[in-house]
Formats: sequence, C-alpha cells, structure tokens
Amino acid sequence: AQKVTQAQTEISVVEKEDVTLDCVYETRDTTYYLFWYKQPPSGELVFLIRRNSFDEQNEISGRYSWNFQKSTSSFNFTITASQVVDSAVYFCALSAMGKSTFGDGTTLTVKP
Amino acid sequence: KAGVTQTPRYLIKTRGQQVTLSCSPISGHRSVSWYQQTPGQGLQFLFEYFSETQRNKGNFPGRFSGRQFSNSRSEMNVSTLELGDSALYLCASIRGSGSMRGADTQYFGPGTRLTVL
Repeated sequence: AQKVTQAQTEISVVEKEDVTLDCVYETRDTTYYLFWYKQPPSGELVFLIRRNSFDEQNEISGRYSWNFQKSTSSFNFTITASQVVDSAVYFCALSAMGKSTFGDGTTLTVKP
Repeated sequence: KAGVTQTPRYLIKTRGQQVTLSCSPISGHRSVSWYQQTPGQGLQFLFEYFSETQRNKGNFPGRFSGRQFSNSRSEMNVSTLELGDSALYLCASIRGSGSMRGADTQYFGPGTRLTVL
C-alpha cells in the first residue's frame, strides 16, 4: 500500500521568510516517483518537480529547493524568501506501479 | 502548446441526474487520468486511460465511468448523482503510456467544479 503524509495542514509566514513543507511517504515498491504540485486558488494543479527513487540528489530551482532522503522516506520542499504569490496549497505525490497517491496538501499563506 | 482543457468548468445538477465531463489532453499526450478532489477526502484517483483502454481504476462505485476516444480525448460520466459527488474533478494528461511505472509526469487541467443539489 502507498501512503503520503503531509503533516502540516496549514502554514502561515511573512513575506521573505523561508518555509519548508514536509512530505513523508510509504511504499513497498523499489522503483517509485515523487512529485510536488502547487494548487493556486484557481484550482489547477501545477507541476513543480519529479524525482525517481534512485536519484537522491537534491535540487534547487530559483527560490525552490527539494531534499529527498530515502533513509527517512522524506521529500521536503523549501521556498526561500517567500512571496505572496507563493500562497497556495502544495501537494506531495507518490507514483508507482500504476498507482498515484497524493498527500492531503499543505496550505501555505504568505502575508505581506 | 495548449494545456489540458476541461469542459464545462462549472456544473450544477440535482440528485439523481447524470453528468458527463470532458477532457482534452495536451497535443501528443496519449494517456488521461481522472481525479476527484473534495475537502474531506482530498485528491482521489478515479481511473486512467491509454489508447482507449482503461488501465487503472480507483476505488469508486460503478456509477463513475469513463472512456477515451481515438484522439485521446476522454469523458467521464457519473450516473444517479448524490450530494457527496459534489467536488472538483481534475483531469491529468500524460505523454507516455500512462503511469504503469509512475515515471510520467501528470499535467493537470483547470478542473470541472460539480455541485449536486
């Protein structure tokens, strides 16, 4: 069975603060893929990043960075110098063997 | 390149009616997945289609069905609507043969917000 846990339901920060969104996953598959999506108020899920289970290299893309650790089954997402436009619901997802499982999402509010 | 298109964007129905939602994937993408998103249950996988064949199915009753056409466009149908079917229905477009390995990225459309009264 697959499971994705995003323990933080809601996070509120002030603009320019750094914020980390946690994601912990469970799967018995040795080959799997992890994703982060952003869902702004408009409702459309926007793809942010994909990682496969064999690639633990961390990644930085502008103000976004991702920390994948197989040892702790975690795939955390950090936004540096947050901006009001980062306010959205963020979903972590796990895909393996034809099944996709999404976490419950973390609502991030960035206040000016 | 145009993104995923879903029609209609908003829909209001009454209990007992049926509804058909449409999804046009990104040009060249061959697989389509459907999800239901509700505040209580979150994002739940409905089904996935590739080459007009259902590849995977989530844990939903038979009232939920779908199909895919030869041009990769997909429709989902919900019969005998219940109040609990009120949700945002999201369609995802996948370039390859689907998520059998989970490797392909899903690109989502804006969703159809269904309200059942």
